[in-house]
Amino acid sequence: NAGVTQTPKFQVLKTGQSMTLQCAQDMNHEYMSWYRQDPGMGLRLIHYSVGAGITDQGEVPNGYNVSRSTTEDFPLRLLSAAPSQTSVYFCASSTTGFNEKLFFGSGTQLSVL
Amino acid sequence: AQSVTQPDIHITVSEGASLELRCNYSYGATPYLFWYVQSPGQGLQLLLKYFSGDTLVQGIKGFEAEFKRSQSSFNLRKPSVHWSDAAEYFCAVLTDYKLSFGAGTTVTVRA
Repeated sequence: NAGVTQTPKFQVLKTGQSMTLQCAQDMNHEYMSWYRQDPGMGLRLIHYSVGAGITDQGEVPNGYNVSRSTTEDFPLRLLSAAPSQTSVYFCASSTTGFNEKLFFGSGTQLSVL
Repeated sequence: AQSVTQPDIHITVSEGASLELRCNYSYGATPYLFWYVQSPGQGLQLLLKYFSGDTLVQGIKGFEAEFKRSQSSFNLRKPSVHWSDAAEYFCAVLTDYKLSFGAGTTVTVRA
């Protein structure tokens, strides 16, 4: 049972480049979400999804796009990377009722130069 | 909108001493509350959660937390700290499918 898998673990981009952070879970969880973690600011919710075909914005959605075509996958897209997007990104999943804990991936460390 | 405040950025405690981490939230109704721990270079691990019922909840690794509605608080405690408890701790509140985290408290354990 792999849980929540994020790829890549590390990425360096130049300003203006685009990329997709991948997130997959094999627990049949309806709820998936993306957070960014910055020093002194905790984790901030970027986007979330309560099921395939349904997404919504979190606290800091600007500059990021998501889609949820399947239950398993929830990719995060940066269309034009900016230095302000340098951060550690975590994907997480849970059952919609949150009666289980939120399962976190191991994180992606992104640097935008 | 809900928010979570962790007033202490950094706490240093001696091994074997007690630990209390503060968490305050602002939300109109009773929220779902969580405490997570993150060791250096690791993801987040759930310590405990409060949904309803008994206001004193027990978690893993000997941690407990008490929900106090009158104070809008959900403080985390451990009677005797071990060196392995050195980590960053996050309080979180869940409302409307959105999990909001506090800024975190870093715990240093000295021998």
